[in-house]
Amino acid sequence: AQSVAQPEDQVNVAEGNPLTVKCTYSVSGNPYLFWYVQYPNRGLQFLLKYITGDNLVKGSYGFEAEFNKSQTSFHLKKPSALVSDSALYFCAVRGRDGNKLVFGAGTILRVKS
Amino acid sequence: KAGVTQTPRYLIKTRGQQVTLSCSPISGHRSVSWYQQTPGQGLQFLFEYFSETQRNKGNFPGRFSGRQFSNSRSEMNVSTLELGDSALYLCASRRGDNTEAFFGQGTRLTVV
Repeated sequence: AQSVAQPEDQVNVAEGNPLTVKCTYSVSGNPYLFWYVQYPNRGLQFLLKYITGDNLVKGSYGFEAEFNKSQTSFHLKKPSALVSDSALYFCAVRGRDGNKLVFGAGTILRVKS
Repeated sequence: KAGVTQTPRYLIKTRGQQVTLSCSPISGHRSVSWYQQTPGQGLQFLFEYFSETQRNKGNFPGRFSGRQFSNSRSEMNVSTLELGDSALYLCASRRGDNTEAFFGQGTRLTVV
């Protein structure tokens, strides 16, 4: 069965500092991995994905994520945080033989000026 | 291009009633999935449709059902509503199996 763990309920960073939101996954075979962001009372916005190829994936709004197969991790990063990055972030995995996304519990990111 | 459209945005229903939610996918996307989001359970997969066929179903009771039409638009129905069905229901569409899903704004269902 697929599963995703986001070990931090909340991450606090100062504006301008680098940020990391952690994600580890469990799936049979090679995964499809995704990051989404959700603002209050809104749907999920796609940030980036790992399908195959380079382990470092670049996405929207300056975010990037590194796929680490040995550690089964897919941490989200940004070199310089903005106050507007404050939101709820979800990591998700889909197995290559499945059609459903399995989401982590989400991590609240708070960026303070 | 237009994104995933869900209607209505908000609904208030009484226990025991039934409700139908609608989702129009991005043009050209044939896969539509539904998710339930609650504070306690997070995001949970309901079902996925592709070319009018249900391909996968989550662990929800039979009161939750869905369908997809020939134009890829999808509806989900919840019968005999319970208070615990109060949630944000999200629809997502994608073009193919190795592509990302794009989500609608959701329908906020409140059961009283």
